[in-house]
Amino acid sequence: GNSVTQMEGPVTLSEEAFLTINCTYTATGYPSLFWYVQYPGEGLQLLLKATKADDKGSNKGFEATYRKETTSFHLEKGSVQVSDSAVYFCALSPGTASKLTFGTGTRLQVTL
Amino acid sequence: DVKVTQSSRYLVKRTGEKVFLECVQDMDHENMFWYRQDPGLGLRLIYFSYDVKMKEKGDIPEGYSVSREKKERFSLILESASTNQTSMYLCASRLPSTGAMFFGPGTRLTVL
Repeated sequence: GNSVTQMEGPVTLSEEAFLTINCTYTATGYPSLFWYVQYPGEGLQLLLKATKADDKGSNKGFEATYRKETTSFHLEKGSVQVSDSAVYFCALSPGTASKLTFGTGTRLQVTL
Repeated sequence: DVKVTQSSRYLVKRTGEKVFLECVQDMDHENMFWYRQDPGLGLRLIYFSYDVKMKEKGDIPEGYSVSREKKERFSLILESASTNQTSMYLCASRLPSTGAMFFGPGTRLTVL
């Protein structure tokens, strides 16, 4: 079946540090890949997505590239801010009309 | 912007009570979902609905049922609440053509 594996958190960084949160997946075919963010006390929000191999999703300074050869979709940001502190979820969908499979989430804590 | 609302942010119920969690979306999305979120387990799909009057079991449907009488409303029902159903419940909707899901703020349910 489909599955998503994320690096375990929490990840603690100082402001302006470089961020990488690893995500790998198992799926047949070419799933769509997503990153969602959950700020404290809120529901999940779509951060970015990629629908085919070598696509790069980007939003709010975050980027992730769909790597079919390594089945990965790592999230990166060049300079994090305190306001980026949240839980980040990687997810996949075999097709746009299919249900999503989520990773367990990675908590990011950014300090001054 | 898509808006998904949930009837309560916090709810406390007693073991054996029947519990209704309501979710409403305002963007005419066909698909709606109920997840529960628990520490270390990420998001797990309880039930989903591809359209009005339709429902499908997710990965953990035991102890839950759902109702979708109108397109904009998707209700989760706990027939007889138990303490192991204490959790954060997240509702989501999706337009199938885009694949992206939109989440409500969540209901934190405590069963005593």
